[in-house]
Amino acid sequence: AQKVTQAQTEISVVEKEDVTLDCVYETRDTTYYLFWYKQPPSGELVFLIRRNSFDEQNEISGRYSWNFQKSTSSFNFTITASQVVDSAVYFCALSEENFGNEKLTFGTGTRLTIIP
Amino acid sequence: NAGVTQTPKFRVLKTGQSMTLLCAQDMNHEYMYWYRQDPGMGLRLIHYSVGEGTTAKGEVPDGYNVSRLKKQNFLLGLESAAPSQTSVYFCASSYLRAEAYEQYFGPGTRLTVT
Repeated sequence: AQKVTQAQTEISVVEKEDVTLDCVYETRDTTYYLFWYKQPPSGELVFLIRRNSFDEQNEISGRYSWNFQKSTSSFNFTITASQVVDSAVYFCALSEENFGNEKLTFGTGTRLTIIP
Repeated sequence: NAGVTQTPKFRVLKTGQSMTLLCAQDMNHEYMYWYRQDPGMGLRLIHYSVGEGTTAKGEVPDGYNVSRLKKQNFLLGLESAAPSQTSVYFCASSYLRAEAYEQYFGPGTRLTVT
């Protein structure tokens, strides 16, 4: 069974600090996909990144970076020089390549508050 | 291009009442999904559809029914609402299979059952 754990329920940092959101996953499949979504106070979910299990390269997009380590089953998300607009709930999610099982399993989310 | 829209945005029901939530997407996506979001539990899949005329159960399907008569619309029905169905409901769509393509989400419907 697939499972995603986001152990950090809430994090608060002062603006311009760096912050890392942890995501640990469980799966028995060798082919799977990992996602990060952002849910700002307005409520909609915004797609941030998708990574497949065969691509362990780290990804950087502006102030955002992701560290995928299969050895520790982790897919952590770092925001560099945080800004108030980064305040949101962030969800990590996992999907296995399994025809007939379209389930995208979400973690419980990490609420990030950036203090001005 | 509106993306994914949901109607209504808010609704209050009394126990036993019924209602239908409408989801529409204009991206010609094959796959559509209904999730519910509860505090501390993330999002859980209720039902999904892999194409017009098809539906399937997700993780928490009890108490809900769905229909996908048109490719662009995905309806979620509550036949007899219960307080346990108080939640925020999100519709999503994706071009093809969930694991390979990102899902686009609607703005959500906040439902309260008293």
